[in-house]
Parts: sequence; C-alpha cells; structure tokens
Amino acid sequence: QMQLQESGPGLVKTSETLSLTCSLSGGSISSHYWSWIRQPPGKGLECIGYISYSGSTNYNPSLKSRVTISVDTSKNQFSLRLISVTAADTAVYYCARGVRQLAPPYFDYWGRGTLVTVSS
Amino acid sequence: DIQMTQSPSSLSASVGDRVTITCRASQSISNYLNWYQQKPGKAPKLLIYAASSLQSGVPSRFSGSGSGTDFTLIISSLQPEDFATYYCQQSYSSLGWTFGQGTKVEIK
Repeated sequence: QMQLQESGPGLVKTSETLSLTCSLSGGSISSHYWSWIRQPPGKGLECIGYISYSGSTNYNPSLKSRVTISVDTSKNQFSLRLISVTAADTAVYYCARGVRQLAPPYFDYWGRGTLVTVSS
Repeated sequence: DIQMTQSPSSLSASVGDRVTITCRASQSISNYLNWYQQKPGKAPKLLIYAASSLQSGVPSRFSGSGSGTDFTLIISSLQPEDFATYYCQQSYSSLGWTFGQGTKVEIK
C-alpha cells in the first residue's frame, strides 16, 4: 500500500522560506504527478503545483513567482520550497499523487498533512 | 484560471436521505472533474474521478454525473459516516488544477 509522508518545520518566520519534503513508500516516484496542496485553517483546498515523472512542473499562477517543486528519485522524495512567506501561507500542507492513466488526472493518494504556521 | 463553484455551501440532512451537491465550472472542462470527501483533521479522499467513475473501495451509494460545465455528486442514502465536507476539483486547465469551495454535509 502506497504511503506519503510530509516532513519539515512546523513554524516558519515571516519573509523566510518554507521547505517541506514528501517521502513515498510502497511505490515508485518515477511515474505519475507529484503534487502539493494546501488548506488554510477552516478554509478550502488550494493546489500549489505538481511535478511530473519527467520533471516538468506546473504551478498555481498566484504562487508561481515564489514556488519551486523538485523531485529526488534516488530518495523517492519530492519537495516544496516557498519563499518570502507571510501569515497568509499558514496552512496544512498535503502532498499527493496525481494519476493520469486512461482518464483525466486525479489525486488518489494523499499524505496526512502537516501544519505550517508563519509567524514573526 | 478556471473557477469552480459548488452549491450549496452547506446542507443539513438525515440518515437515509438522498443528497445532491452541484459543481459548476467557469468554462467547459469536458469530464475532467473529480470529487473528494474530507473529514475533520483528515486528508481528502477520492470518491469519483472523470466525473462519473467510482474510485475503488468507495461505496456504490456515491455517484457522479455531468460534462462540460455542470456536474453533480449524489449520495443515494446518507449514512452516519458520510457527514463530511465534499470538494469538486477540475484537472482540465494547463494553468493549474482548482477546487471548489466545498460543501459541508451536517446532521439534521
């Protein structure tokens, strides 16, 4: 059974960089799409972006100037980097697998999520 | 970018009720529409993909329909474990995939 696990600091200072890693077990990162999604407390879901197995990326236009998603196939991990954070970036951050096989893409496996609080 | 609008934002229903949630896209997205269920403190769970395909392991009381801009999620007979928030999500746009604002299903 595939599992994804987010890891990284739970507290980041305003204007600094948020860095998270998602570790995959029970499957290979060398296929599909690897995604980051966030959810501010009490609010809805927002796609941050994804990286494909081939290394191509797609970012939310509203975050594009601040976001980088990368993959390390040797460690079966992918990562999120968000620079110049503000309180508006406080959220639960989820990693997820995006699948596109004979059907439009969807997210089928999700991590449990990790709360990141941005504070001065 | 493509906006997804769900209605209602919340609803109250009883066990055994038939529940209908709608999702409208700001432009045509063919069948690039997925539905997720989220319970408090948990990650979302995929219910329906490609507008009408039931994800493996999801009870058959959940069904989805629609194409183009208008989509529907139906729970045919609401069960206690179905009280949750439901989100639609489009995966059509190359500018990014977006979710609806969510529909909270509460106990009447």
